[in-house]
Amino acid sequence: NAGVTQTPKFQVLKTGQSMTLQCAQDMNHNSMYWYRQDPGMGLRLIYYSASEGTTDKGEVPNGYNVSRLNKREFSLRLESAAPSQTSVYFCASSVDRGASSFFGQGTRLTVV
Amino acid sequence: DAKTTQPTSMDCAEGRAANLPCNHSTISGNEYVYWYRQIHSQGPQYIIHGLKNNETNEMASLIITEDRKSSTLILPHATLRDTAVYYCIVRSNAGGTSYGKLTFGQGTILTVHP
Repeated sequence: NAGVTQTPKFQVLKTGQSMTLQCAQDMNHNSMYWYRQDPGMGLRLIYYSASEGTTDKGEVPNGYNVSRLNKREFSLRLESAAPSQTSVYFCASSVDRGASSFFGQGTRLTVV
Repeated sequence: DAKTTQPTSMDCAEGRAANLPCNHSTISGNEYVYWYRQIHSQGPQYIIHGLKNNETNEMASLIITEDRKSSTLILPHATLRDTAVYYCIVRSNAGGTSYGKLTFGQGTILTVHP
């Protein structure tokens, strides 16, 4: 039982490049989330998916798109990466919106 | 969302109880108090949550005041591995603007000393 798995763990991008961060959970959870964490700050919600087939914007959605591919997988896409998107990205899942969240180990992204 | 206020940092001796306070004076009736922690470079870890009664699990105890305006997370016998940033969060588990959302503040940096 791996929990929440994120790939890749590290990534360096050039400004303007695109990439997709992958997240998968094996706990049969309905809700999934993407957060970013900048140095010395708490996590901020980017997008979430309350259930399969739905996605909603969080606190800082600009510059990102998401896809809830199926119940297990929730991907985050940067279409044109900017240095301001340098951050650590965390994916999380929960049984439903009202339940406690379990987090992945993070993807450390640097945009140069 | 109800805001929380936590001390920036705290120290604790190994083996002693660590008591981490949190103020949430604007909490609404349907909002729970959640505690997470983040050990260096790892993803946040759920610790405990409660509505108005005190709660205890294998990791910690949560004491919520009767007026629900503040709470205390208690780690009964702190170890070096408990050194982490501890986040106090209020959120609704059923409806409202904070439904399903974890809003992380700055948290409290707890350092456990040998």
